[in-house]
Amino acid sequence: SAVISQKPSRDICQRGTSLTIQCQVDSQVTMMFWYRQQPGQSLTLIATANQGSEATYESGFVIDKFPISRPNLTFSTLTVSNLSPEDSSIYLCSVYSGMNTEAFFGQGTRLTVV
Amino acid sequence: GQQVMQIPQYQHVQEGEDFTTYCNSSTTLSNIQWYKQRPGGHPVFLIQLVKSGEVKKQKRLTFQFGEAKKNSSLHITATQTTDVGTYFCAGYSGAGSYQLTFGKGTKLSVIP
Repeated sequence: SAVISQKPSRDICQRGTSLTIQCQVDSQVTMMFWYRQQPGQSLTLIATANQGSEATYESGFVIDKFPISRPNLTFSTLTVSNLSPEDSSIYLCSVYSGMNTEAFFGQGTRLTVV
Repeated sequence: GQQVMQIPQYQHVQEGEDFTTYCNSSTTLSNIQWYKQRPGGHPVFLIQLVKSGEVKKQKRLTFQFGEAKKNSSLHITATQTTDVGTYFCAGYSGAGSYQLTFGKGTKLSVIP
């Protein structure tokens, strides 16, 4: 199993600003993932954070809006930049312990943009 | 790309009634996973099914994986208020695939 510490747990931000979310895992993992969950909706994969290389983004998500860092095998950050009210959502980091295995999630960051 | 459909979107049941949520994939899955998300919480892994036709039980929860490995169901017998939450199915599209695709979830409300 993996224990993930994600912070902040919530934030209220002004439009046009940025928020950086941190995710710390208690063990080394090859892949970390960032999801967005809009209110009452399912989880949508934003990107895969790769250690030592650029993140891989899903369709509809771009690096300029969602820059990701992955400096080592236990840590990643997701920045949501140039915030607009449409970015209000829950952001979750996740890790898998291996191929075709269960996913572990951080506690989530509830972002409200005003 | 792979799509995972889940129905119903919402279900309100009286405590003690049974509940079932269904999951269908547009492609054959290497496995299917189920997660539960309590209100205000994050998704928590419940179970993984791998084999065609597999059935697994966890106390009052019964999970099934279809013979064609494209559909699955979660059945809860005699629901309790602790069952409240959203249940998601998720699948990997093939061996070696690292991307989980989540269904839209079924939000279960239990009326005491």
